[in-house]
Amino acid sequence: NAGVTQTPKFQVLKTGQSMTLQCAQDMNHNSMYWYRQDPGMGLRLIYYSASEGTTDKGEVPNGYNVSRLNKREFSLRLESAAPSQTSVYFCASSESLPGYLARYEQYFGPGTRLTVT
Amino acid sequence: RKEVEQDPGPFNVPEGATVAFNCTYSNSASQSFFWYRQDCRKEPKLLMSVYSSGNEDGRFTAQLNRASQYISLLIRDSKLSDSATYLCVAFTGAGGTSYGKLTFGQGTILTVHP
Repeated sequence: NAGVTQTPKFQVLKTGQSMTLQCAQDMNHNSMYWYRQDPGMGLRLIYYSASEGTTDKGEVPNGYNVSRLNKREFSLRLESAAPSQTSVYFCASSESLPGYLARYEQYFGPGTRLTVT
Repeated sequence: RKEVEQDPGPFNVPEGATVAFNCTYSNSASQSFFWYRQDCRKEPKLLMSVYSSGNEDGRFTAQLNRASQYISLLIRDSKLSDSATYLCVAFTGAGGTSYGKLTFGQGTILTVHP
């Protein structure tokens, strides 16, 4: 049981390049999330997918797109990378259902450290 | 004002000490809370969930004060391995078709020294 996996672990991009960050979970969770973590800013939600087939914007969606490929996989795409997107990106999943308070604990992948020069 | 605020620290304590962190939240509709632990350059991992007034797990105790809108985390008998950043998280908004959202604080850095 690997939990949440992310690839790649590290990436350096030049301004304007594109790339896709991959995330997969094997816990049969409904919901998946993409966060970025910057010093002094805490974790900020970029996009989330409450269930297979749906995606919604989070707090900081500009410059990103997502695809919920199936229940296991949720990818994040940077179409034209900018230095402001230098950050650590975390994918997470949770067993969340609408209207339920319990089991909203999120499980995180190991992160992708992205540098845009 | 940030929705979830924590004292960033750092807190430097000797082994065996008791240390407490506070976290305040501004949205009175927040329904449940979590403490996550994040080691340097690693992913956050769930430490405790707080759904009612509090929770205890071994050396760790979390308390929730809804009237004052704060959550605390108490660590007793600190170990070197407790050195990490502790993230306070508030969950708001589930109901009907809403999935709600999690809001993370910036984190409190704890260093436990010999």
